[in-house]
Amino acid sequence: QKEVEQDPGPLSVPEGAIVSLNCTYSNSAFQYFMWYRQYSRKGPELLMYTYSSGNKEDGRFTAQVDKSSKYISLFIRDSQPSDSATYLCAMSGMGAQKLVFGQGTRLTINP
Amino acid sequence: AAGVIQSPRHLIKEKRETATLKCYPIPRHDTVYWYQQGPGQDPQFLISFYEKMQSDKGSIPDRFSAQQFSDYHSELNMSSLELGDSALYFCASSLLFSDNEVTQYFGPGTRLLVL
Repeated sequence: QKEVEQDPGPLSVPEGAIVSLNCTYSNSAFQYFMWYRQYSRKGPELLMYTYSSGNKEDGRFTAQVDKSSKYISLFIRDSQPSDSATYLCAMSGMGAQKLVFGQGTRLTINP
Repeated sequence: AAGVIQSPRHLIKEKRETATLKCYPIPRHDTVYWYQQGPGQDPQFLISFYEKMQSDKGSIPDRFSAQQFSDYHSELNMSSLELGDSALYFCASSLLFSDNEVTQYFGPGTRLLVL
């Protein structure tokens, strides 16, 4: 079983919809929780990261972490066609450590 | 702002050949990570370096080796290439002991195709 599980999708929604992306994990040592966006044939681009449990908001994006349930979410409000990409959750322990990624969810926002 | 630079961007090799991938981290970053992403797969951690010393090792085959040089750039050397080594290889960099030390910035990747 993978340490980080993410529904690979694909997920297709109309423009303007609220998108919810989720990951579950099994390693209690994870302390940092990231969301990366990856366009086709490009490197992952960091969207947000959260330390421990809680919420973090940045514009149209909100990240939530529930360590008690080992569950993290990314919400995208007012989704745009330019948000179409693969979204990868990633996690690490304390300090600068390797990232453990989920499978990535391929998201398409239809105009 | 300067980003992580990787070269070459594309590489085609034959089985049993060798390949060298290069990574130039963001200026002042002291930590480099290498990841391998197979088709339709998530990136898998290979190896990392801090201040020219190996800091962590993941699922890196014995046929691969890597190092970080005095100017902080890193090279991933791959020998006896196999078909299964075909993948996108990413380098990421970060600055340890900074407010942002957990943030890894990824390069555009090197796409390796082994024929």
